[in-house]
Amino acid sequence: EIVLTQSPATLSLSPGERATLSCWASQSIARELAWYQQKPGQAPRLLIYDASNRATGIPARFSGSGSGTDFTLTISSLEPEDFAVYYCQQRSNWPLTFGGGTRVEIK
Amino acid sequence: EVQLLESGGGLIQPGGSLRLSCAASGFTFSSHAMSWVRQAPGKGLDWVSTFSHSSGNTFYGDSVKGRFTITRDNSENTLYLQMHSLRVEDTAVYYCARRGGRDGWGAFDIWGQGTMVTVSS
Repeated sequence: EIVLTQSPATLSLSPGERATLSCWASQSIARELAWYQQKPGQAPRLLIYDASNRATGIPARFSGSGSGTDFTLTISSLEPEDFAVYYCQQRSNWPLTFGGGTRVEIK
Repeated sequence: EVQLLESGGGLIQPGGSLRLSCAASGFTFSSHAMSWVRQAPGKGLDWVSTFSHSSGNTFYGDSVKGRFTITRDNSENTLYLQMHSLRVEDTAVYYCARRGGRDGWGAFDIWGQGTMVTVSS
C-alpha cells in the first residue's frame, strides 16, 4: 500500500498569505496525485489532478507541483473561503489512498 | 447538472446489513469508474471500493473485502454498496464519487453529498 504523508498537520496563516502544503508518497506515483479541499459538513471538492492540473472552476491561486514522491499544493494568497482541510490522494496503485490531511486555519 | 445522490444510510446494529445507493445524473454513467469513499466522524478520507466501467472489475479496500459488495446498474445510472457484517468501525459518512478524466479512471471529480451509516447497539 502506498502511504501518503501530509505536512504540516495544521497551518495557521492570515488572509493574503501564501500557503504551502506538502504530500510525500512512500513510493513513486509518477504524477498520479490529486488534491481536494473539504469544508465542515461538505463533501470534498477536487482542486488539482495529475499533480498540476486545476480542475474546472478552480481559481488560479491554487497550483500543484511535483512528481515521483514529493508533491506540493500552493495557495498564492489565501482568501477567507480557503480555510479548510486539504487532502492529497494517489491513483497510481490499488488500494487508492489518501493522505491524513492538512488543516489550514486562520491565524 | 452533473449530480450524485446517495441514499440508504441509517442506524444499524453490529453484524447487520445495509445497502447504499447512488443515483447519477447529468453525465454518461457507463463511461466512468465509480467509487465509494467514507469518512469516519472527525477523521480523514478512506477509499472503500471502485467498480470499473470498462472491464467490470471491482476493487476493495482491505478493511471491507469479503464484507462489502459494489455493483452498478448502467441502465438505471445507479451505483450500489451492499454492506454485510457491519462493525462499529464502519460508522462513517459514505460518499459516492465519480472518477473523471477522458478514460474515466482519473481523480474523484464529482462527489455526492454523502449518507451517514451508524453502526451501534
